[in-house]
Amino acid sequence: EPEVTQTPSHQVTQMGQEVILRCVPISNHLYFYWYRQILGQKVEFLVSFYNNEISEKSEIFDDQFSVERPDGSNFTLKIRSTKLEDSAMYFCASSVRGLAGGLADTQYFGPGTRLTVL
Amino acid sequence: GQNIDQPTEMTATEGAIVQINCTYQTSGFNGLFWYQQHAGEAPTFLSYNVLDGLEEKGRFSSFLSRSKGYSYLLLKELQMKDSASYLCAVRDRRDDKIIFGKGTRLHILP
Repeated sequence: EPEVTQTPSHQVTQMGQEVILRCVPISNHLYFYWYRQILGQKVEFLVSFYNNEISEKSEIFDDQFSVERPDGSNFTLKIRSTKLEDSAMYFCASSVRGLAGGLADTQYFGPGTRLTVL
Repeated sequence: GQNIDQPTEMTATEGAIVQINCTYQTSGFNGLFWYQQHAGEAPTFLSYNVLDGLEEKGRFSSFLSRSKGYSYLLLKELQMKDSASYLCAVRDRRDDKIIFGKGTRLHILP
């Protein structure tokens, strides 16, 4: 069964450093998402991406964040200058369609990257 | 604004039935999802409702009432592996994103 994959599973970095989290969405999916979940808290939407551009972003997704689809398979989240409060689990998700409605819009989540900022 | 409410924790016994409720107030509505999340793992899709009524899938059923802004997830014949958090999530009509509730942590006792 196709699945979303993410690397690395755990990333430790120093405050102020840049990190890139990588995701390979399911191959026939067209919409891609990043979420984060701070330990013990709810899953929070960061950004959605379609047709090589951001379609929605939350107030959390400020100028330190960026996303890119550098080739036909990878989808990356870059955090330019990490802060302590960026420590969280970051989930990538993908879906076949976005706004059209229906079960095909179900978002399938990757296993997550645990980011620890020291 | 967007608000999704569900109980923080529930406890049930192996073999029993449990109902997890979710109420929502959102500016638009284009479907409600239930996800299961085991500790330290990613959410996994359980069900999707966009029309009123009950959707049954094996041991799990999900109900939606759009007029009441209410949904529930019903788990039957509970197994120990059902111990997890259950996340209610709503898709806003205008936004290409899903808003998650805080989740209900379900504990199953033998």
